[in-house]
Amino acid sequence: QAQLVQSGGEVKKPGASVKVSCKASGYIFTSYGIIWVRQAHGQGLEWVGWISAHNGDTNYAQKFQGRVTMTTDTSTTTAYMELRSLRSDDTAVYYCTRGQLPVANWFDPWGQGTLVTVSS
Amino acid sequence: QSALTQPPSASGSPGQSVTISCTGTSSDIGGYNYVSWYQQHPGKAPKLMIYDVSKRPSGVPDRFSGSKSGNTASLTVSGLRAEDDADYYCSSYAGSNNFVFGTGTKVAVL
Repeated sequence: QAQLVQSGGEVKKPGASVKVSCKASGYIFTSYGIIWVRQAHGQGLEWVGWISAHNGDTNYAQKFQGRVTMTTDTSTTTAYMELRSLRSDDTAVYYCTRGQLPVANWFDPWGQGTLVTVSS
Repeated sequence: QSALTQPPSASGSPGQSVTISCTGTSSDIGGYNYVSWYQQHPGKAPKLMIYDVSKRPSGVPDRFSGSKSGNTASLTVSGLRAEDDADYYCSSYAGSNNFVFGTGTKVAVL
């Protein structure tokens, strides 16, 4: 069955960058997209962006544009999200999840989440 | 893109039903039949419960149902069970591969 496994937790200083990976298995990687979602402690889900694993097209939420880059490596069926110029309010659990193409009308399954902590 | 509006909390006794609303705009919920619902237990990743407004993925009990009217979508959980005690989030497509989540509702099974 489809499965997404994310990289481990990270601790970064303000102004630094972080790159989170999401290894996909159990399905045809290039037939779907990958969506990134984050959740601060005790808060709700926030959509970060989307990438097509078919052709690399991306779309980022407006508040992250200019600070986030999403990529995929089809040879290793892995998706990546890099977030730059980190601030303390970027501290959150970051999830990757799979979505259909051309429209991700559902998100399933989800990775286990990666805690990114931004602290001086 | 503003978050969709959900009530902060809802509750019911075992066996009862609870309905959660999710209000958006004509640019998201009202414009597309791509509303989905997710259940999240503490410390766990979200789980897909409903997609395309009212469809249930394989393995999701038929106690869970979804609907939509205008700019508002709803999730109903019938025959509440202890394991339904969780946070629930709606999500909608908002065009051009943009998506938006709801503010979340904590469902308590009393």
